[in-house]
Amino acid sequence: EPEVTQTPSHQVTQMGQEVILRCVPISNHLYFYWYRQILGQKVEFLVSFYNNEISEKSEIFDDQFSVERPDGSNFTLKIRSTKLEDSAMYFCASSDGGRGQPQHFGDGTRLSIL
Amino acid sequence: AQSVAQPEDQVNVAEGNPLTVKCTYSVSGNPYLFWYVQYPNRGLQFLLKYITGDNLVKGSYGFEAEFNKSQTSFHLKKPSALVSDSALYFCAVRRPQGGKLIFGQGTELSVKP
Repeated sequence: EPEVTQTPSHQVTQMGQEVILRCVPISNHLYFYWYRQILGQKVEFLVSFYNNEISEKSEIFDDQFSVERPDGSNFTLKIRSTKLEDSAMYFCASSDGGRGQPQHFGDGTRLSIL
Repeated sequence: AQSVAQPEDQVNVAEGNPLTVKCTYSVSGNPYLFWYVQYPNRGLQFLLKYITGDNLVKGSYGFEAEFNKSQTSFHLKKPSALVSDSALYFCAVRRPQGGKLIFGQGTELSVKP
């Protein structure tokens, strides 16, 4: 069964540094998402991406964040200047956009900011 | 504001007994409803969904969920729990026109032999 894959599985970064989280969505999917889960809290929506542009973003997704689909397979989340509170598990998801079709999630990247 | 509530942080069940994980939602219109399961160090795995039609929907691994519009609930059930069902379960909603999932806070299910 096709899967969403995320790399790296764990990223440790100094505060203030830039970090790029990478995702390869399922190949025939058209809608892409990033979510995050701070330890012990609920999964929160960050941003959705369709047709090479952001379709929706949350209040969390401020100017420090950006997303890109640099080629036909990868979908990246960049945090320009990381803060301690960015430490979380980041999940990528994709869907084919069909009526009621679920979003499929990767295993996540655990981001630790020191 | 749209929200999803899972009133129990943890549910403990003996193997072989039925289980219920509760979910209620506050979303305008007729949202789509989902259950996901998360095993340790893994992503969220889709279990089942309610879009329209029969209020009882069946999903993976013997799980089912009952939609109740008047109570705005979508409780997850299984007639006979397995130890391997022990995991974190998330209820989520989405508008019919697509977009983000709104998650509940998760319920940890523990099934003991």
